[in-house]
Amino acid sequence: GENVEQHPSTLSVQEGDSAVIKCTYSDSASNYFPWYKQELGKRPQLIIDIRSNVGEKKDQRIAVTLNKTAKHFSLHITETQPEDSAVYFCAASSGTALIFGKGTTLSVSS
Amino acid sequence: DAGVIQSPRHEVTEMGQEVTLRCKPISGHDYLFWYRQTMMRGLELLIYFNNNVPIDDSGMPEDRFSAKMPNASFSTLKIQPSEPRDSAVYFCASSSWTGGHGYTFGSGTRLTVV
Repeated sequence: GENVEQHPSTLSVQEGDSAVIKCTYSDSASNYFPWYKQELGKRPQLIIDIRSNVGEKKDQRIAVTLNKTAKHFSLHITETQPEDSAVYFCAASSGTALIFGKGTTLSVSS
Repeated sequence: DAGVIQSPRHEVTEMGQEVTLRCKPISGHDYLFWYRQTMMRGLELLIYFNNNVPIDDSGMPEDRFSAKMPNASFSTLKIQPSEPRDSAVYFCASSSWTGGHGYTFGSGTRLTVV
């Protein structure tokens, strides 16, 4: 089955800096790659997603890139703000069930 | 729509007791997923249903865990007997995959087994 590895597990940046979180997946049939943000004590919420027929997608300060050949995808957050502090999860799916990475705790200090 | 509704929000129980977690998916969503979240293991898929039928239960850790979906608007996850290592946050999520969008998660049930 699918296995998703996520790095780093923790990331600390200064406000205004960029943050990059990377994930690799094992199943070459995977074709859907969402990213979720989970604030402390809250539910995971979808922030951006990408399908395998697209190499890059951007939504304001966040962007996701996908390299199908290398089977990895990344989340990029620019101009980070304290409210970006949260746990971020990547996931991959080849059909229905999402398999998640173990998460990255992002801390943005002002 | 009120979103995915889970109950209870918190559950504290003694080891050996039966625990039942409940979930109401978003109306019209034909996929329902149960996940368990711990610090060590992250978000683990336990089981998922399509049109009320269990599709993959390979993530259910032991026979002590069981899940049902008697109709399109209700699902339960039962642990019997419960053990301290079952302590975790259990999330239910639903999806309408034809849209190609990600899941909507419920607020989760924080289970503590003492």
